[in-house]
Amino acid sequence: KAGVTQTPRYLIKTRGQQVTLSCSPISGHRSVSWYQQTPGQGLQFLFEYFSETQRNKGNFPGRFSGRQFSNSRSEMNVSTLELGDSALYLCASSWTDNEQFFGPGTRLTVL
Amino acid sequence: AQTVTQSQPEMSVQEAETVTLSCTYDTSESDYYLFWYKQPPSRQMILVIRQEAYKQQNATENRFSVNFQKAAKSFSLKISDSQLGDAAMYFCAIISTYSGAGSYQLTFGKGTKLSVIP
Repeated sequence: KAGVTQTPRYLIKTRGQQVTLSCSPISGHRSVSWYQQTPGQGLQFLFEYFSETQRNKGNFPGRFSGRQFSNSRSEMNVSTLELGDSALYLCASSWTDNEQFFGPGTRLTVL
Repeated sequence: AQTVTQSQPEMSVQEAETVTLSCTYDTSESDYYLFWYKQPPSRQMILVIRQEAYKQQNATENRFSVNFQKAAKSFSLKISDSQLGDAAMYFCAIISTYSGAGSYQLTFGKGTKLSVIP
C-alpha cells in the first residue's frame, strides 16, 4: 500500500505570496492532519479533516486554511506569507483516530 | 491541554549498547495513546512504538520497548543493541481518544537527538 504523499517536496516563495500544499493519504484513510515543524516551536498541530469536515484546528492565524476533498486528499493554503512561515509542513493520515502515518513533508522557504 | 516534555535534547550511545530516552507528559484525559516517532535526516516521521494508556503491559517492537508508568505520567523508550541506523530525532507524542472537544491531535515533545557512535 502506498504511503502518504505530499507535493511539492520543496517550495520557495517570497513574502506576501500565497502557497498551496497537497497531501494524498494512504488509501482508505479518511482523516488527514497537518503539522508545522520549525526549529524554534517544534511540531505544532494546524488542523485535522475527516470526511471533508474540519474537526479540529490549532492555534494558527486565519492565513492558514485547509480543505479536504471527497477522495480524502487534502490541501492547505497559506496566504500573505511571512518569513516566520518558513517550515517543514507535515501531513499525516489515519484510519483510526489514534495512529497517524506521516508523509515526507513539504519544505517551505519564505524569502 | 496536553503537554509532553523531553528533558534530554541530545544523547549518544555506543553501537550495540542500550540507551533510554525519557518522556513525561500531562493530560487530564483518562483514555489516551502514547507514541514514539523517529525522524531521521530525511525528515520522514516514522512511528516506532505505541502504547495504549489502558494497557498495563509495556509495548515492545523488536529492539524497541517502553517503560510506561501511568501514575508518574512517564513514558520512556529503550533501544537495545543500538545500530547506526537508529541515529535520528526521537519525538514522544500523546493523543487523546476523547472526541468531544475535537481532540484528535498529536501533541509532541521537543525531541531528543540520538547519535550512535561506531
